[in-house]
Amino acid sequence: KAGVTQTPRYLIKTRGQQVTLSCSPISGHRSVSWYQQTPGQGLQFLFEYFSETQRNKGNFPGRFSGRQFSNSRSEMNVSTLELGDSALYLCASSLEWGSNTGELFFGEGSRLTVL
Amino acid sequence: GQQVMQIPQYQHVQEGEDFTTYCNSSTTLSNIQWYKQRPGGHPVFLIQLVKSGEVKKQKRLTFQFGEAKKNSSLHITATQTTDVGTYFCAGRRTGTASKLTFGTGTRLQVTL
Repeated sequence: KAGVTQTPRYLIKTRGQQVTLSCSPISGHRSVSWYQQTPGQGLQFLFEYFSETQRNKGNFPGRFSGRQFSNSRSEMNVSTLELGDSALYLCASSLEWGSNTGELFFGEGSRLTVL
Repeated sequence: GQQVMQIPQYQHVQEGEDFTTYCNSSTTLSNIQWYKQRPGGHPVFLIQLVKSGEVKKQKRLTFQFGEAKKNSSLHITATQTTDVGTYFCAGRRTGTASKLTFGTGTRLQVTL
């Protein structure tokens, strides 16, 4: 069974640009969540999607958005990039959502550098 | 909002020594999960604890969930160099379909 796939793995952008990151969950998994990881802030929750609906949102500005498609694949978008957006963006999938959620399976991440 | 703190932030041990990381939540949790992230890697699930006072073991690793379901610990007996990495706890607040909040993490370094 293929794992969680994130693309692209690495990307470099300049301030003001926008970026779209993609996540394909494990087959059969219906929940996708996104996390931002930086050395100083650890794993910060961005969003959680289940059945194409955003179920939870973290404390990030409106420049960060996401969506989930009918095949459970998910994308996140960051507009008007700032230097502080440089981070590893991790996607995780799970079978279910909420209190029934079991383990999260993480992808390798997309490492974004903003210059 | 919910906060999950871990201590220590960093620990350096010699191979064979024991190691413990503690996880404390500001709110009662429905369950707690533990993950390990190797340097340059992604978090990998270790275990989930659900019941108050639950203790689970995986070889040299012992996981405990507090009676009040607000804290947890991970203890490694006789560390090995393969234990190197950052250990995260993660929990969901009780009663709502709330987000999974990760702890601040404890980075473990093991030297020979």
